[in-house]
Amino acid sequence: KQEVTQIPAALSVPEGENLVLNCSFTDSAIYNLQWFRQDPGKGLTSLLLIQSSQREQTSGRLNASLDKSSGRSTLYIAASQPGDSATYLCAVDSSASKIIFGSGTRLSIRP
Amino acid sequence: DAGVIQSPRHEVTEMGQEVTLRCKPISGHNSLFWYRQTMMRGLELLIYFNNNVPIDDSGMPEDRFSAKMPNASFSTLKIQPSEPRDSAVYFCASSDLSLGDYGYTFGSGTRLTVV
Repeated sequence: KQEVTQIPAALSVPEGENLVLNCSFTDSAIYNLQWFRQDPGKGLTSLLLIQSSQREQTSGRLNASLDKSSGRSTLYIAASQPGDSATYLCAVDSSASKIIFGSGTRLSIRP
Repeated sequence: DAGVIQSPRHEVTEMGQEVTLRCKPISGHNSLFWYRQTMMRGLELLIYFNNNVPIDDSGMPEDRFSAKMPNASFSTLKIQPSEPRDSAVYFCASSDLSLGDYGYTFGSGTRLTVV
C-alpha cells in the first residue's frame, strides 16, 4: 500500500531564502507525482506534475525533482516571497487512476 | 474552461438530514474523483469514476454515503443520514487519463458542517 510522507510538517523562513520541501513514498512503481498548493480555506492548485519517466519539472521559481528509485521528491522554491505562504501537498499516482496525498508542509514566509 | 465547479460552497445541516454535494468536471475529462479533507486524516479518496462508471468506492466510509455520475458533466455525492463526524471539506477533481498527462484539477470544495 502506497504511503506518502512529507517532512517537515511546518516551515517558517525569512523572505528571500531558497527552500526545499521533501516528499517520500514507499512504492516506487508510480505513474507520476504532483505538487499542489493549498491556501487556507481554498481548494488545491496544481503546481507541477512529474511523469515517472522524468527527473524534474520547472515553473518559474519552482523546481520539482523526482527520484523513483529512492522514493523521493523535492520541491525547491527560489527567492521565497510572503505570497508563497501556503500548505504544499505532494500527491503520488501509483495506479494511473488514484492519487495518494501526503499530509502537507505548512510554509510561512516572514517579511 | 471554468474549471471544476462544485456547489454549494458551504453547507450547514442538522444531524440526520440528507446532504447532496454537486460537481461539474472539466469538459472532456473522463475521470472524476471525490475527496474528503479533515485536519485529522488529511485528504482521503472516497470514490472515483472513469467514463461515468464507478471504478473504486473502497474509500466510501459507510452505506450512508453514495455517489452517482449520470452523465459526463455532472456528479453528486450524497450523505443520508448525515452525522457530525461527516463535517469536512469535500473536493471534486477531474482528469483526462487518456491524454497520458494524468494531471488532476480540483474544485474549490464544499465545506460541510453537520450540527
